[in-house]
Amino acid sequence: GENVEQHPSTLSVQEGDSAVIKCTYSDSASNYFPWYKQELGKRPQLIIDIRSNVGEKKDQRIAVTLNKTAKHFSLHITETQPEDSAVYFCAAGFSGSARQLTFGSGTQLTVLP
Amino acid sequence: DVKVTQSSRYLVKRTGEKVFLECVQDMDHENMFWYRQDPGLGLRLIYFSYDVKMKEKGDIPEGYSVSREKKERFSLILESASTNQTSMYLCASSNPGTRVSNQPQHFGDGTRLSIL
Repeated sequence: GENVEQHPSTLSVQEGDSAVIKCTYSDSASNYFPWYKQELGKRPQLIIDIRSNVGEKKDQRIAVTLNKTAKHFSLHITETQPEDSAVYFCAAGFSGSARQLTFGSGTQLTVLP
Repeated sequence: DVKVTQSSRYLVKRTGEKVFLECVQDMDHENMFWYRQDPGLGLRLIYFSYDVKMKEKGDIPEGYSVSREKKERFSLILESASTNQTSMYLCASSNPGTRVSNQPQHFGDGTRLSIL
């Protein structure tokens, strides 16, 4: 089955700096890669996703890049703000599959004021 | 707005008890999921269901069972609770994707279960 590894497990950045979280996946059939954000005490929520036919996708301060050959994808957050502090999960899956997703182990991002 | 409701935010049970965690979604989603969340391990899939009365094992099904008698409700059952099942349990639902589109999973608030 699919295996997703996520790094780093914790990340601290100064407000205004950029943050990068990286994930690798094992199953070359995976073609869908979402990122979820979980604030303290709250439910995980989808923040951005990318399909394997696209190399990069942006949404304001958030971007995701995908390297299919190397089987890794990354989340980039620019101009970080304190409200970006949360746990971020990457996931990989095959669209159309009922099981859908395998999640990474999570990254605790702390944005220091 | 999609609503996934888990019956309890916090639950304390004793070793050996049979424990039921309930999840209800209001968006007529076909797929429902139960995950376990532990620090450093991320979200691990216990069971999922793609239709009423249908269930599939995820990555860590041992010690758990599920029930889906109605489309909107998906129950997780700990047959005989053990201390290593102390964890945060998250329910999610979604519609099935296609080969060219994906449907996001919507999560509940979670149930923090303690087994004493």
